[in-house]
Amino acid sequence: SQTIHQWPATLVQPVGSPLSLECTVEGTSNPNLYWYRQAAGRGLQLLFYSIGIDQISSEVPQNLSASRPQDRQFILSSKKLLLSDSGFYLCAWSVGGVSDTQYFGPGTRLTVL
Amino acid sequence: AQTVTQSQPEMSVQEAETVTLSCTYDTSESDYYLFWYKQPPSRQMILVIRQEAYKQQNATENRFSVNFQKAAKSFSLKISDSQLGDAAMYFCAYSQGAQKLVFGQGTRLTINP
Repeated sequence: SQTIHQWPATLVQPVGSPLSLECTVEGTSNPNLYWYRQAAGRGLQLLFYSIGIDQISSEVPQNLSASRPQDRQFILSSKKLLLSDSGFYLCAWSVGGVSDTQYFGPGTRLTVL
Repeated sequence: AQTVTQSQPEMSVQEAETVTLSCTYDTSESDYYLFWYKQPPSRQMILVIRQEAYKQQNATENRFSVNFQKAAKSFSLKISDSQLGDAAMYFCAYSQGAQKLVFGQGTRLTINP
């Protein structure tokens, strides 16, 4: 069966520091991968999605970036965090191709102070 | 752009009773998918039920069922025999295949013992 991992689970970072959040999927090949952000009490907003290595689309212009160094690994990064980057970050995957159903990881709670 | 609206920020129900959560969406497409996700206090998003727009039959998963009204662009979730473990935020979501999920703002469901 497929599983999705995210780490770290919780992160507290100062303003201006770098960020690296990691997501990996097991038990499937060539998945579609997604990064979402959820502000407190709000719905989810798509940040990036990837249908393959070196194929990453950005939905919201910001100081975040995403990379996919391996087929089942998706990384969310920032060179300098802002206070507004605080939130809950969720990674999701779907079966490669035109699959519609996304499955989510446990999430990372990021607090920028 | 597609939008999803959940007009009930909070709902409550007595244990063992039935509750219906409302969702409306806006799209000009004819082929799409609709979902209900549950987010318990752990904050991991869990897929509850999925509906394909081209199917007239309403989806059912055990105690969870939907009322899909395509012409009215309505997609409500019915939870029968409510259990304490059903307490969570529920999000309605829309997608067109391997693209982003568009989420509503969520409905917080409380189960009263």
